[in-house]
Amino acid sequence: NAGVTQTPKFQVLKTGQSMTLQCAQDMNHEYMSWYRQDPGMGLRLIHYSVGAGITDQGEVPNGYNVSRSTTEDFPLRLLSAAPSQTSVYFCASSATMDQPQHFGDGTRLSIL
Amino acid sequence: RKEVEQDPGPFNVPEGATVAFNCTYSNSASQSFFWYRQDCRKEPKLLMSVYSSGNEDGRFTAQLNRASQYISLLIRDSKLSDSATYLCVVNSWYSSASKIIFGSGTRLSIRP
Repeated sequence: NAGVTQTPKFQVLKTGQSMTLQCAQDMNHEYMSWYRQDPGMGLRLIHYSVGAGITDQGEVPNGYNVSRSTTEDFPLRLLSAAPSQTSVYFCASSATMDQPQHFGDGTRLSIL
Repeated sequence: RKEVEQDPGPFNVPEGATVAFNCTYSNSASQSFFWYRQDCRKEPKLLMSVYSSGNEDGRFTAQLNRASQYISLLIRDSKLSDSATYLCVVNSWYSSASKIIFGSGTRLSIRP
């Protein structure tokens, strides 16, 4: 009963490096999304997808790319890491946009 | 004005007390509403959906007031384990697109 699985749980990068945060769900959910949460702040939507092959930008998309080649997977790519991208990243999924979302455990990312 | 606003925290109440939070939203076309709880450094977890007629789950009661555009969460007989940040979530329609908006959260601390 995995739900939403995010990897890695922790990562430290140097400025300018690129990396991919993985997100997979086994609930056959159509809607998936990526959020970042900074200390003392709410969740901010980075990108989202309403189904395989369809992605769209959220509130803070700059510096991030996504793709949705399968229903299960929704990776988030940091193109050239910057210290401002130090944050906790959450992936979430739901059957549709109207349904409550299930969150992964989060990835804690530090950019030096 | 923010699209979704929550009561500023933190709330610090004794065990056994009743506490209520409000969350206002600006888009009258909002369709679905949820309350999540988030423990420190953990992922948000669904607490309950909010239905038009109001709904109850044990010690928790959620209400929706469409006329005044707010949702509320009431916690009765509060427990130490209720200490967390409570997030309201509103799903709104803007033109032809739907948007999920998280409130910034209200911190609740229950003292013995």
